[in-house]
Amino acid sequence: AQSVTQLDSQVPVFEEAPVELRCNYSSSVSVYLFWYVQYPNQGLQLLLKYLSGSTLVKGINGFEAEFNKSQTSFHLRKPSVHISDTAEYFCAVSDTNFGNEKLTFGTGTRLTIIP
Amino acid sequence: DGGITQSPKYLFRKEGQNVTLSCEQNLNHDAMYWYRQDPGQGLRLIYYSQIVNDFQKGDIAEGYSVSREKKESFPLTVTSAQKNPTAFYLCASRRDRGKLFFGSGTQLSVL
Repeated sequence: AQSVTQLDSQVPVFEEAPVELRCNYSSSVSVYLFWYVQYPNQGLQLLLKYLSGSTLVKGINGFEAEFNKSQTSFHLRKPSVHISDTAEYFCAVSDTNFGNEKLTFGTGTRLTIIP
Repeated sequence: DGGITQSPKYLFRKEGQNVTLSCEQNLNHDAMYWYRQDPGQGLRLIYYSQIVNDFQKGDIAEGYSVSREKKESFPLTVTSAQKNPTAFYLCASRRDRGKLFFGSGTQLSVL
């Protein structure tokens, strides 16, 4: 079984400042890692995913994340945030058994951009 | 437009009543999922189905039931056995590894 920890439930950031949203995971097997974003009263959209290969993954809207196997982390970063980035962000993990793929989500981090 | 449609957007349940949430997709995806979202708890998996006429319990299946008679449809019934049904319910389908496509959700409240 896998688990995901998002330590920060809320992160306020000034507009145009950099941001890092933290995600740590626990698993006894190889994993895939994901970041999803949820805007108010909507479903979730995929920001980026790590399956294999380069540990630095670039996603939509200028976000990127780095997979660190030794620290079991997959932190999300953006060098300069915009008001439109205000949303809730979820880290998720699944095992690499494609035929039995369930995503386990973290509890989410609410990112608030301050003008 | 391809996508996932959830209905209704808002639903109210009386005590002792069963209610059914609809989820339809025209993406031709085999796998479909139901998640429950509560404030501060993230998303928790209720049921999932990887193929027609087959489904598995997720982490919080008690008080819920599903069916998968057609590839396009995966309705969720919240039964009277679910004592705390108030939540935001999200349906999703899966294409390739890990990429879930989500509907816009149904907010269920108890009268």
